[in-house]
Amino acid sequence: DVKVTQSSRYLVKRTGEKVFLECVQDMDHENMFWYRQDPGLGLRLIYFSYDVKMKEKGDIPEGYSVSREKKERFSLILESASTNQTSMYLCASKTGGRETQYFGPGTRLLVL
Amino acid sequence: GENVEQHPSTLSVQEGDSAVIKCTYSDSASNYFPWYKQELGKRPQLIIDIRSNVGEKKDQRIAVTLNKTAKHFSLHITETQPEDSAVYFCAAKGGGGGNKLTFGTGTQLKVEL
Repeated sequence: DVKVTQSSRYLVKRTGEKVFLECVQDMDHENMFWYRQDPGLGLRLIYFSYDVKMKEKGDIPEGYSVSREKKERFSLILESASTNQTSMYLCASKTGGRETQYFGPGTRLLVL
Repeated sequence: GENVEQHPSTLSVQEGDSAVIKCTYSDSASNYFPWYKQELGKRPQLIIDIRSNVGEKKDQRIAVTLNKTAKHFSLHITETQPEDSAVYFCAAKGGGGGNKLTFGTGTQLKVEL
């Protein structure tokens, strides 16, 4: 059974703070993804990674960066949090040989 | 890039009725179309998917149809039950061999008793 976990369910940060969101998967998946979910906008891809130390921009990468130092862990970094980054952040992973993405429980981030 | 539009944004049906959610996509090379269900407070989970070489796929009460010519695909739920109440997202994987999915904006389905 695939397990994708995220470091926090809820997070409150101040404008300008550096924020780290972490995602860990236990199924040796090559591919990992970060999405943000906003009402009426669906799931939008921020960044994804298809291998350790590899990353590619998604549709809305501005204001974010990522790190993948180990295969099981994919971190999303908000260099200087802003109020418009208040959102639900979802991590997902998939193996190279199959299409199904497995999602984490999400982190609801509030930037004040 | 790929653009996916999803309609309706909200759908209310009586228990036992059918529900249909429609999506259109822009990239004619897209080859994989999954549907994810997200219950309140839970993570999205895949419920059914279809590849571009298939026109229809069924799994018990849910089915997905694909019209490649018109570039649209639909989710059909028959004999709806209260536990079908959730947000449903369609998605499309563009051509080119990548792993990126583009999601629709979601449909809030409410099944009323």
